[in-house]
Amino acid sequence: DAKTTQPTSMDCAEGRAANLPCNHSTISGNEYVYWYRQIHSQGPQYIIHGLKNNETNEMASLIITEDRKSSTLILPHATLRDTAVYYCIVYATGNQFYFGTGTSLTVIP
Amino acid sequence: NAGVMQNPRHLVRRRGQEARLRCSPMKGHSHVYWYRQLPEEGLKFMVYLQKENIIDESGMPKERFSAEFPKEGPSILRIQQVVRGDSAAYFCASSLQFRNTGELFFGEGSRLTVL
Repeated sequence: DAKTTQPTSMDCAEGRAANLPCNHSTISGNEYVYWYRQIHSQGPQYIIHGLKNNETNEMASLIITEDRKSSTLILPHATLRDTAVYYCIVYATGNQFYFGTGTSLTVIP
Repeated sequence: NAGVMQNPRHLVRRRGQEARLRCSPMKGHSHVYWYRQLPEEGLKFMVYLQKENIIDESGMPKERFSAEFPKEGPSILRIQQVVRGDSAAYFCASSLQFRNTGELFFGEGSRLTVL
């Protein structure tokens, strides 16, 4: 079962940063935080993952709090194509990926 | 390098018929996962397979559903005697090494409609 809590929906103005929060207060020491997104019924797409350090790649940044009980996915300059459902998942090697209901992000022109 | 290929993309069946969904993983990937997504819901894990082995089928319904990943050819998700509640999008994902980064690559899904 999903062990994360995310807001159901969020809006973001085009060109602004989109900050998507995720609570994972019961995360274990060996569990990673993963983010995927699903654009309108397409297959989910990997975005980023981290353990305890902040991470950045060409798509997004991931900020994990020091106690690891929450994290924020940042899309620095949101575009209309970033409108999607964003899933925050905690995952440990040997387990499965359990997707919750995610956050539906709408980027507004 | 082709991604995960699923077919058919759309499948219509009448109640009681059989549905077969196929998934070809990315080249070099030997781990396959099946997920089901009901309308307006998140993805639900069904089964994890390696070549010729079912590793975790904890998400599979106890009856009518089966999956295989033979030594040669695609992975098959088979649903016997379909009912209307089986109408959903079925997504397949593959990974290079399960104990690596854990990154999954998803296909575009197969949408099953049961009349």
